[in-house]
Amino acid sequence: AQKVTQAQTEISVVEKEDVTLDCVYETRDTTYYLFWYKQPPSGELVFLIRRNSFDEQNEISGRYSWNFQKSTSSFNFTITASQVVDSAVYFCALVDYGQNFVFGPGTRLSVLP
Amino acid sequence: GAVVSQHPSRVICKSGTSVKIECRSLDFQATTMFWYRQFPKQSLMLMATSNEGSKATYEQGVEKDKFLINHASLTLSTLTVTSAHPEDSSFYICSARGTDIYNQPQHFGDGTRLSIL
Repeated sequence: AQKVTQAQTEISVVEKEDVTLDCVYETRDTTYYLFWYKQPPSGELVFLIRRNSFDEQNEISGRYSWNFQKSTSSFNFTITASQVVDSAVYFCALVDYGQNFVFGPGTRLSVLP
Repeated sequence: GAVVSQHPSRVICKSGTSVKIECRSLDFQATTMFWYRQFPKQSLMLMATSNEGSKATYEQGVEKDKFLINHASLTLSTLTVTSAHPEDSSFYICSARGTDIYNQPQHFGDGTRLSIL
C-alpha cells in the first residue's frame, strides 16, 4: 500500500532562516509521481512541484528547492530565506500507477517576523 | 493552464439541510473527478472517485447514501451532502483529471468550507 509520512507536524522558524520539510514515501510501484502542495489559511491547494520516479535530479525554483532520493524514498523540500508569506501547511503527496493521490499528514510551517 | 472551479466556496446551513457542491473543469474534459474531505488540522482524505457516466466508487467508511455524487458530463461533477449534520462540517475539495493521465496531474478546486449549525 502507498503511504506518505511527514514526520514534522509543526515547524516554527524566524524570518530569513532556511527550513527543510521532510517527506518519506512508500510504494511498490516503479512508476509514480511525487508532489508538494502549499495550503494557505484560505484553504486552496497551491501546486509547487511534480516529480516522476525516473527523474532524481534536484530542482531549484527561486527560494524553493527539492531533494529527491529514491535510495531513501525521500522527497524533501527546502525553503531558503523564509518569509512570513511562506506560513502555511505543506503537503507531500504520492500518485501511484493507478493515478490516485495519497497525501501525507502535512507540516504546518510558521514563519515569525 | 487547466482550471477547476468549485462552488460554493463556503456554506453555512442548519442541521438536516441537503447541500450541493459543484465541481467544474473549465478548459478540459474531466473523465475522472475526485472528492476529498479535510477535517481541521488534518490531511485530505479521498472520499470517492467518479468517472463520467458511471457510478462513483466510494472509499471504505464513506456512506454513499449520505454523500451523493453525480458526474453526468465531462465538465461537471456534484457532491450532495444529504441531511447534513454538524459532524459533516468539513472542508471539501474536488479535483479533476483529463484523458492524459500520465502527463497531467489532477487539478484541484479551491474547496468548499461547509459549516452545519
